[in-house]
Amino acid sequence: AQRVTQPEKLLSVFKGAPVELKCNYSYSGSPELFWYVQYSRQRLQLLLRHISRESIKGFTADLNKGETSFHLKKPFAQEEDSAMYYCAPNKETSGSRLTFGEGTQLTVNP
Amino acid sequence: EAGVAQSPRYKIIEKRQSVAFWCNPISGHATLYWYQQILGQGPKLLIQFQNNGVVDDSQLPKDRFSAERLKGVDSTLKIQPAKLEDSAVYLCASSYLKLGLAGTYEQYFGPGTRLTVT
Repeated sequence: AQRVTQPEKLLSVFKGAPVELKCNYSYSGSPELFWYVQYSRQRLQLLLRHISRESIKGFTADLNKGETSFHLKKPFAQEEDSAMYYCAPNKETSGSRLTFGEGTQLTVNP
Repeated sequence: EAGVAQSPRYKIIEKRQSVAFWCNPISGHATLYWYQQILGQGPKLLIQFQNNGVVDDSQLPKDRFSAERLKGVDSTLKIQPAKLEDSAVYLCASSYLKLGLAGTYEQYFGPGTRLTVT
């Protein structure tokens, strides 16, 4: 069965510390992978996608096909990074059907 | 650009009652999605429309849930009758559709409707 797992529901770090939000998936083929973020009292929004290979707000995510992982990383966390983060693979055959993980609540303490 | 609009923002009903949610996507977005997000979980896709046709409704509980997008723009999602386990935030999202090309377009989400069934 196709699954996406975010093993940490809660993650707390101090400002300036590195942060890594884990995402593991079990999908056949080569799905597209996305990270979506929801800041407090804001809408769910796209943070980054693996095919663009860009850094957004200092975050990067590398697709590791061998480990079937797509971990989100930032070398120096900021307080404004506190939010709920969702990993979302896309079924390659559907065109645009995302399956969201259960999410990781990141808190960056001052 | 105006974002995805949803109404109402909050709704409280008793079990066995009916409820309807409305969504207005971003202008020009051919694809519209309804998600159910239960507290502590990620959003789960209920139904996906392409213009006014259904692309995927495999996870829609069709005995009680229905959705339509008659003119390929606005959409309504209905629950009849509601159960306690339907308490959740219902999210609407929209995206562009580009035929013939691989890749997925960004989904833009509305603010959601928080439904409480008592």
